[in-house]
Amino acid sequence: QVQLQESGPGLVKPSQTLSLTCTVSGGSISSGSYYWSWIRQPAGKGLEWIGRIYTSGSTNYNPSLKSRVTISVDTSKNQFSLKLSSVTAADTAVYYCARLHPTRNYYYYYMDVWGKGTTVTVSS
Amino acid sequence: EIVMTQSPATLSVSPGERATLSCRASQSVSSNLAWYQQKPGQAPRLLIYGASTRATGIPARFSGSGSGTEFTLTISSLQSEDFAVYYCQQYNNWPPEYTFGQGTKLEIK
Repeated sequence: QVQLQESGPGLVKPSQTLSLTCTVSGGSISSGSYYWSWIRQPAGKGLEWIGRIYTSGSTNYNPSLKSRVTISVDTSKNQFSLKLSSVTAADTAVYYCARLHPTRNYYYYYMDVWGKGTTVTVSS
Repeated sequence: EIVMTQSPATLSVSPGERATLSCRASQSVSSNLAWYQQKPGQAPRLLIYGASTRATGIPARFSGSGSGTEFTLTISSLQSEDFAVYYCQQYNNWPPEYTFGQGTKLEIK
């Protein structure tokens, strides 16, 4: 059974770059037609999709974050990563990674497996 | 951007009773709609995808319905472990931009 685990610094200074990694276990990140995604949730608030990546390296980002986000994949390590630049206090949140499962036509994808999340605080 | 609106924000129901949660999309998302359950301190868990298909291991008391812009999640007989926050999410648009509703908190009456 595939499991995802987020890792990275829990505290980032304003204006710096937030960097997180999601490690996939229980299966190869390259097997199947999955996308891999990042989502975040500020304390007490709702969920915001950040972006997704395919193992080919193809990416899509939330337009509201696109100018600051980079998602990459390292298939040799079975990992994918998130970088969010120029962070402010508004980027303080729990960050989740998730697997995107294809629908039958392989055109649409839904989030079927989630990591437990990691809390990132932006503060000096 | 497709805006997802859930109602009510909070729903108070007694154990054993039925709960009905609603989700509306600002434009048609066909059947590309998922429901997630989130308990405090935990990640969301997929309950329903394709508007009405239960995910693996989800009890039959959870059911989803709807298409287009109006969707419903029904929990037929509430168990203690069902009290949580529920989110709907669309995955229909291109380029992809997954958007979530603001959540419905299901609490014990």
